[in-house]
Amino acid sequence: DIQMTQSPSSLSAFVGDRITITCRASQSIGTYLNWYHQKAGKAPQLLIYGASNLQSGVPSRFSGSGSGTDFTLTISTLQPEDFATYYCQQGYSTPKTFGQGTKVVIK
Amino acid sequence: QVQLQESGPGLVKPSGTLSLTCTVSGGSISSNNWWTWVRQPPGKGLEWIGKVYHSGGTNYNPSLKSRVTMSIDKSKNQFSLNLSSVTAADTAVYYCTRVASVSGNYEMDYWGQGALVTVSS
Repeated sequence: DIQMTQSPSSLSAFVGDRITITCRASQSIGTYLNWYHQKAGKAPQLLIYGASNLQSGVPSRFSGSGSGTDFTLTISTLQPEDFATYYCQQGYSTPKTFGQGTKVVIK
Repeated sequence: QVQLQESGPGLVKPSGTLSLTCTVSGGSISSNNWWTWVRQPPGKGLEWIGKVYHSGGTNYNPSLKSRVTMSIDKSKNQFSLNLSSVTAADTAVYYCTRVASVSGNYEMDYWGQGALVTVSS
């Protein structure tokens, strides 16, 4: 199985901050990398697919980059509704696997 | 707008079988999409269980393969999950999802609201 490791596991930030979350795959996955966020008690929602493609309806403050084994998710200007847990997921091989999550909390 | 809704018992006895159904509305289950199940134990991360296609083709997580069966009912626009020989470790919120077909990145673009299943006697 491909292991996905996110860092940090949690971070605290102010509204308006720029934040970056990283995701590392245990082997090369090309750009088969997707990002989701999950608010408390809700289902995850797709933000980015194919490492850098913004899902329809997702605000442009979200962006993704990377290829191979190292990927990043950036939120340019953190909004109150962005405080959530973020997960990366590889779509390269079965079983599909997720990172352990990064919880973004209000400072 | 595609919507997915999980249904099934919220409590299953140890050694029993967990059975859930996902009803798809606003779209056809016979479309060019995989349909999947993902679970999340309380306070933990996400685990992919497997996928099913409208042809009946399936692919399961090897860690669960011996206990999992997925099926599809095109007449009802539903797909189902059966997980046998459950233990407390199978207690989780179970999500059904749709895999977007276009990009090939296996991104899950629609999710159900989730169904909490507790394994307990």
